[in-house]
Amino acid sequence: QITLKESGPTLVKATQTLTLTCTFSGFSLSTSGVAVGWVRQPPGKALEWLGVIYWDDDKRYSPSLRSRLTITKDTSKNQVVLTMTNMDPVDTATYYCVHSLQYWGQGTLVTVSS
Amino acid sequence: EIVLTQSPGTLSLSPGERATLSCRASQSVSSTNLAWFQQKPGQAPRLLIYGASSRATGIPDRFSGSGSGTDFTLTISRLEPEDFAVYYCQQYGTSLWTFGQGTKVEIK
Repeated sequence: QITLKESGPTLVKATQTLTLTCTFSGFSLSTSGVAVGWVRQPPGKALEWLGVIYWDDDKRYSPSLRSRLTITKDTSKNQVVLTMTNMDPVDTATYYCVHSLQYWGQGTLVTVSS
Repeated sequence: EIVLTQSPGTLSLSPGERATLSCRASQSVSSTNLAWFQQKPGQAPRLLIYGASSRATGIPDRFSGSGSGTDFTLTISRLEPEDFAVYYCQQYGTSLWTFGQGTKVEIK
């Protein structure tokens, strides 16, 4: 059974750095072809892809957010970490981690206060 | 970056009717890299279709996907009450993923 769960602060202040952790089970990020991605969704708005990390540590980021994002993995802990710098109220959203398109975390709502 | 444009923005239909949702890409997308998701309020997206036309596990056969190149379609043959939701297309090729802006299917 594959599960993913996001964890981290629910409230951050503007200009701070957000760090979210995706803890997963049922697969290994050391297996060839495997990837974990991050997606966010502002309240009432559309899904937005943030980035993805692959089993070989290759990473891809949304061009519009590339300068602010870092995704890392800890294979031994079955975790993927998303770091987003210089947070702004417009970054208020539910943040999801996702595997193989089919498996999504429950999402975590992050509110950015000014 | 490939931009996906979904139409219409909102589709008002009655249960039992057929729903046809469109997703147009700004450049050609490999059919193997086009997916459709359903999302209900307060829930994570649910994968319906991958590879443009393959149904994900457990998805009823009233959902079908088609298309190639820059034009893709999700069809719901007969709407059930639980199908009223927001639908997103997504491309996951070129190592960069993008989503469409969504189509809301609402009860008429």
